[in-house]
Amino acid sequence: EAQVTQNPRYLITVTGKKLTVTCSQNMNHEYMSWYRQDPGLGLRQIYYSMNVEVTDKGDVPEGYKVSRKEKRNFPLILESPSPNQTSLYFCASSKIRDGYTDTQYFGPGTRLTVL
Amino acid sequence: AQKVTQAQTEISVVEKEDVTLDCVYETRDTTYYLFWYKQPPSGELVFLIRRNSFDEQNEISGRYSWNFQKSTSSFNFTITASQVVDSAVYFCALSEARNSGGYQKVTFGTGTKLQVIP
Repeated sequence: EAQVTQNPRYLITVTGKKLTVTCSQNMNHEYMSWYRQDPGLGLRQIYYSMNVEVTDKGDVPEGYKVSRKEKRNFPLILESPSPNQTSLYFCASSKIRDGYTDTQYFGPGTRLTVL
Repeated sequence: AQKVTQAQTEISVVEKEDVTLDCVYETRDTTYYLFWYKQPPSGELVFLIRRNSFDEQNEISGRYSWNFQKSTSSFNFTITASQVVDSAVYFCALSEARNSGGYQKVTFGTGTKLQVIP
C-alpha cells in the first residue's frame, strides 16, 4: 500500500531535549516536505527536499533541521525544542511532474507537545 | 512572495445547500499549480484537485466543482447539495518553481472550516 508513515504519532517532551520525528514513504517520490499546522495559521512549510542530499528552507525553518540521506526517508530534527514548537506536524511526499510538485501524499501527523 | 488567502474562516450550511469556498492567491510566477485539500475531523489530509495556471477550464467532479480565474487570481471551490460528510477543513495551496526546479515551495492558505448541519 502506498503510504507516508510518521513516528511517533504523539510525543510529549521537555524544553531542550533533542528529538527526531521520522518520515518514510514507499512511493519513490522525489519531493518530500515537512509542515506544521497551528490553529488559525493553516499549514506552514518548514523544510522541503527535491531529492537525496537536496534540502531547502520553507517559511518557518527556525529551530528545525532535516536531512535526506535516502530517497525514502526525511527525518525532522528539533535540536533544542521550545514550547512554541508545540504543534501538529505533517510529512508529505510527491512526484515532481512538469517540473512542479504533483499531488502530495500526507502522513497521519505527529502531535508534539513541548513543556 | 507567494501568498494564499482563504478569507472565510468558518462556514455553516444546512444539508443540501450549495456552498462556495473562496481562495485568492498571489504569485510572481506565470507558471504555477493550485491545489485543494480536505481535512476531515479524523485529521488526515486528502487531495482533491491539482490545476495548472495555464488551464482555466472549470472542472467538475461529482458534487464538486472548481472555478479558476487567472484575471482575479482566484481558485474557488463549490460543493453542490452539501452533505454532512462534507464537514471538514478545506485548504487551498499554491506550488511555485523557479531556478529550473531548484526552488519548489508550497504555500497553504489558513483553511476554511465547513460545517454541514443535518
